[in-house]
Amino acid sequence: DAGVIQSPRHEVTEMGQEVTLRCKPISGHNSLFWYRQTMMRGLELLIYFNNNVPIDDSGMPEDRFSAKMPNASFSTLKIQPSEPRDSAVYFCASSSQLGASPDTDTQYFGPGTRLTVL
Amino acid sequence: AQSVTQLDSQVPVFEEAPVELRCNYSSSVSVYLFWYVQYPNQGLQLLLKYLSGSTLVKGINGFEAEFNKSQTSFHLRKPSVHISDTAEYFCAVRQKGAQKLVFGQGTRLTINP
Repeated sequence: DAGVIQSPRHEVTEMGQEVTLRCKPISGHNSLFWYRQTMMRGLELLIYFNNNVPIDDSGMPEDRFSAKMPNASFSTLKIQPSEPRDSAVYFCASSSQLGASPDTDTQYFGPGTRLTVL
Repeated sequence: AQSVTQLDSQVPVFEEAPVELRCNYSSSVSVYLFWYVQYPNQGLQLLLKYLSGSTLVKGINGFEAEFNKSQTSFHLRKPSVHISDTAEYFCAVRQKGAQKLVFGQGTRLTINP
């Protein structure tokens, strides 16, 4: 299996520009998570989906952030407009949330997208 | 709500020495416990997890952790570290029945030759 795939791996943009981060979860996984990692705040859960439906978006910092999952194999996290304080590493993770056993619920992380907003 | 405290932000040790990375958690409900490792410029990889049963959990790369309910701790140990263990280590908790992982701030393990 290819694991969780994220693109781009690095993104440098200017303040005010729109940024779109992409994630392809592991095939067969039905839960997808977006995290942000910064020095100041560590790893924070932004939003997660079950079966393509957003379940908890309480971690999304503000309206400039939006996430979608149009199908089971693709998700996007969009920031519009971007600001320098959005600079961070954004991770996507997926798991198989079948509800049968917590042992199957391990989250597998992608390599992350390092975003720099100038 | 749950919270995780990793007591050491950085731990330097010599190669082949033992190491313990400390993790304490706070929760009013039963939780599952995890340790993840992040190598430079990579994503997080699961080291081990405690779900139930034996409080001593063995993971990959020779790591183990012990769940102590009375002390609400889940410390990570390795009897002899290698240069390749240099990484950042994250402790995390998840409420039983929920999916949200709450992470600690991480501990940077540096191995000196």
